Amino acid sequence: DVKVTQSSRYLVKRTGEKVFLECVQDMDHENMFWYRQDPGLGLRLIYFSYDVKMKEKGDIPEGYSVSREKKERFSLILESASTNQTSMYLCASSPRQGIQPQHFGDGTRLSIL
Amino acid sequence: AQSVAQPEDQVNVAEGNPLTVKCTYSVSGNPYLFWYVQYPNRGLQFLLKYITGDNLVKGSYGFEAEFNKSQTSFHLKKPSALVSDSALYFCAVKKGSSNTGKLIFGQGTTLQVKP
Repeated sequence: DVKVTQSSRYLVKRTGEKVFLECVQDMDHENMFWYRQDPGLGLRLIYFSYDVKMKEKGDIPEGYSVSREKKERFSLILESASTNQTSMYLCASSPRQGIQPQHFGDGTRLSIL
Repeated sequence: AQSVAQPEDQVNVAEGNPLTVKCTYSVSGNPYLFWYVQYPNRGLQFLLKYITGDNLVKGSYGFEAEFNKSQTSFHLKKPSALVSDSALYFCAVKKGSSNTGKLIFGQGTTLQVKP
């Protein structure tokens, strides 16, 4: 079974802090994704990576950056956290070949005070 | 532009009754469609997908979905609902023609199954 692990289930940070959310997958998937989930808005793509050191902006990249130095790890960075970034953050991965589903981690519920 | 819509925020059914969670889509080209389920405080779990072939797709936990090209719909169904099916359900469509794996998700539908 594919396992996508997010380092924290719950995280509380202060406004202005630099925040790191980590995600690791164990299935050698090329594609990795970061979403935020807010009630009534579904999932919105923040950033996407299709290979090591490769990244693309998603629909809502402002205020975020990402890092993918190793294939299995995809990090989301909030450069200077703000209260409107309080949300549930979900990481996912999928293989490059074929029309395959994404596999999700359990999410990080981030609160910015 | 590609999009997916789930017209109902919440669906309520009694245990043992059939359930339907609705999804409509708009794509250019062939539609590749997915259903996911999310239980409280968990990530999304894949239920089933439609790529081509039979319009009735069977998936996990007894769920199935019916692809209807003329109505551009991909409704999720189950013949007999369980209380444990209560969760948040997302429909998704593959974005674009390239093999990036990106999906566009609907807003989600909360399914409440009452004993």
